[in-house]
Amino acid sequence: GENVEQHPSTLSVQEGDSAVIKCTYSDSASNYFPWYKQELGKRPQLIIDIRSNVGEKKDQRIAVTLNKTAKHFSLHITETQPEDSAVYFCAALYSGSARQLTFGSGTQLTVLP
Amino acid sequence: EAGVVQSPRYKIIEKKQPVAFWCNPISGHNTLYWYRQNLGQGPELLIRYENEEAVDDSQLPKDRFSAERLKGVDSTLKIQPAELGDSAVYLCASRTGGEKLFFGSGTQLSVL
Repeated sequence: GENVEQHPSTLSVQEGDSAVIKCTYSDSASNYFPWYKQELGKRPQLIIDIRSNVGEKKDQRIAVTLNKTAKHFSLHITETQPEDSAVYFCAALYSGSARQLTFGSGTQLTVLP
Repeated sequence: EAGVVQSPRYKIIEKKQPVAFWCNPISGHNTLYWYRQNLGQGPELLIRYENEEAVDDSQLPKDRFSAERLKGVDSTLKIQPAELGDSAVYLCASRTGGEKLFFGSGTQLSVL
């Protein structure tokens, strides 16, 4: 099955700086890669996603890049704000019949004011 | 649009007791998932439903866990009997034919 590894597990940045979280996946048949933000005690919320036919996608301060050859994808947050502090999860969707979404282990992002 | 609704929000039980969680997916979402999320980890799939059919339950501990999705809408996940290691957040999620997955707020289970 698919295996998703996420790094780093914790990340602290100063307000206004950029944050980058990286994930690798194992199954080349995966073709959809969402990122979720989860605040303490709340549900995971989809913040951005990318399909395998696209190399980069941007939405305001958030961007995701995908390198299919290397099987890794990254989340980039620019001009970080304290409200960006949360746990971020990457995931990979296997395109086969199982259609299973496998999650990374999460990154605790702390934006220091 | 109402999101995925789960209840209860919190549940505290003693070990060996039964417990049940309920999920109402977003209207029109045929695919429903139950995930378990341990503290500090990502969600792990327990079972996936396509309408009323469980199409992937390979990671559901069937000796104590059971699930149903009658009429292809609401779903119930049950644990009987609960063990200490079952303490976690149980998340329900749903989607339509597309890839975007929407989560409920989860049920935080504490087994004492």
